[in-house]
Amino acid sequence: KAGVTQTPRYLIKTRGQQVTLSCSPISGHRSVSWYQQTPGQGLQFLFEYFSETQRNKGNFPGRFSGRQFSNSRSEMNVSTLELGDSALYLCASSSTGAGNEQFFGPGTRLTVL
Amino acid sequence: AQSVTQPDIHITVSEGASLELRCNYSYGATPYLFWYVQSPGQGLQLLLKYFSGDTLVQGIKGFEAEFKRSQSSFNLRKPSVHWSDAAEYFCAVASSGSARQLTFGSGTQLTVLP
Repeated sequence: KAGVTQTPRYLIKTRGQQVTLSCSPISGHRSVSWYQQTPGQGLQFLFEYFSETQRNKGNFPGRFSGRQFSNSRSEMNVSTLELGDSALYLCASSSTGAGNEQFFGPGTRLTVL
Repeated sequence: AQSVTQPDIHITVSEGASLELRCNYSYGATPYLFWYVQSPGQGLQLLLKYFSGDTLVQGIKGFEAEFKRSQSSFNLRKPSVHWSDAAEYFCAVASSGSARQLTFGSGTQLTVLP
């Protein structure tokens, strides 16, 4: 099975712009979670989608949003970018069932100038 | 709220030496516990997980971890470290209700000396 894929791998934007990141989960996985990784804050949960519905949300401002499509692919969007949004954004997918492990993609490195 | 503490920011060991990475968690009920490893420029790879049952769990690459409820700990061990083990290691906890929302520790960077 192919792993979790994320596109693009690298992105450079300027303050005030918006950005969309994409994640394709492992085939058959219906849950997709997003995490932000920064040197200062570490790994933080953004949100989780399951069957096209947001099921959990972390403590991030409304500028961070996401969605999931019927084929389980997910996108996250950050509007009005700030310098502090520079981070590695990781997507993870898992199958149904409590406790099932999450498989992580390689991440998208976002740099905001 | 659940939390995870990894008290060691950076650990250096010699190749062939044993390794123990510490992890303490805070969670009211029985947690789901995980150890992940991240190499530079890579995503996270799951080493092992604990949900219930035997408190000593075996993982990939020769790693094991022991869940100690009385100490709220889930320390990662390896009897003999290889140079390829150099990476950053993250302990994580999830509530039993939603194992897909992980709370991570701040990570431990492992350096392996030849």
